[in-house]
Amino acid sequence: EIVLTQSPGTLSLSPGERATLSCRASQSVSSNFLAWYQQKPGQAPRLLIYGASSRATGIPDRFSGSGSGTDFTLTISRLEPEDFAVYYCQQYGSSPPDTFGLGTKLEIK
Amino acid sequence: EVQLLESGGGLVQPGGSLRLSCAASGFTFSSYAMSWVRQAPGKGLEWVSAISGSGGSTYYADSVKGRFTISRDNSKNTLNLQMNSLRDEDTAVYYCARRVAVAGRIESWGQGTLVTVSS
Repeated sequence: EIVLTQSPGTLSLSPGERATLSCRASQSVSSNFLAWYQQKPGQAPRLLIYGASSRATGIPDRFSGSGSGTDFTLTISRLEPEDFAVYYCQQYGSSPPDTFGLGTKLEIK
Repeated sequence: EVQLLESGGGLVQPGGSLRLSCAASGFTFSSYAMSWVRQAPGKGLEWVSAISGSGGSTYYADSVKGRFTISRDNSKNTLNLQMNSLRDEDTAVYYCARRVAVAGRIESWGQGTLVTVSS
């Protein structure tokens, strides 16, 4: 089973700043089947990025994903107030089970 | 618009059973694999189970294997999760999720239903 390690655990930034979130896998993620989800308090997760770098429908272009193999990054180029949330990475390429990282909380500084 | 509406959550004693359902609308249900993903209070996401579009293939996390059963009724656009021998650690919000394939990305999530296992 692939273990995903997200860092940092908490990231404190101000609106307008750039956010860089990391997700490292214990082994190579097949075909870069790596997704990022955003979750706000009391809400279900929302798909942001899939295939490591493809934005889901309706996701603003300030969100971008990059990486391959075992190292992946979610970048938010210029933080908006609504972007403060918890972000999870997930690998889904191999046969089930999926695995999720423990999340990065992005909070307002 | 894709809609996934979970129901069936509640309070149950350890060792008890509960059946969750997810009513799907806005898409051709039988064309999509489905999953259940749970989130314990204050914790991260944990994949629980998946089922193919036809229902012919099912998968389970080790933590629930032998206790939970996933099923679907494509004539009623409904996904189910039968949960038996419930434990304290099964307490979580359970999300129904649509995915492009059994091992594909999760595209849509329901709002979740809370299951509390406690005496």
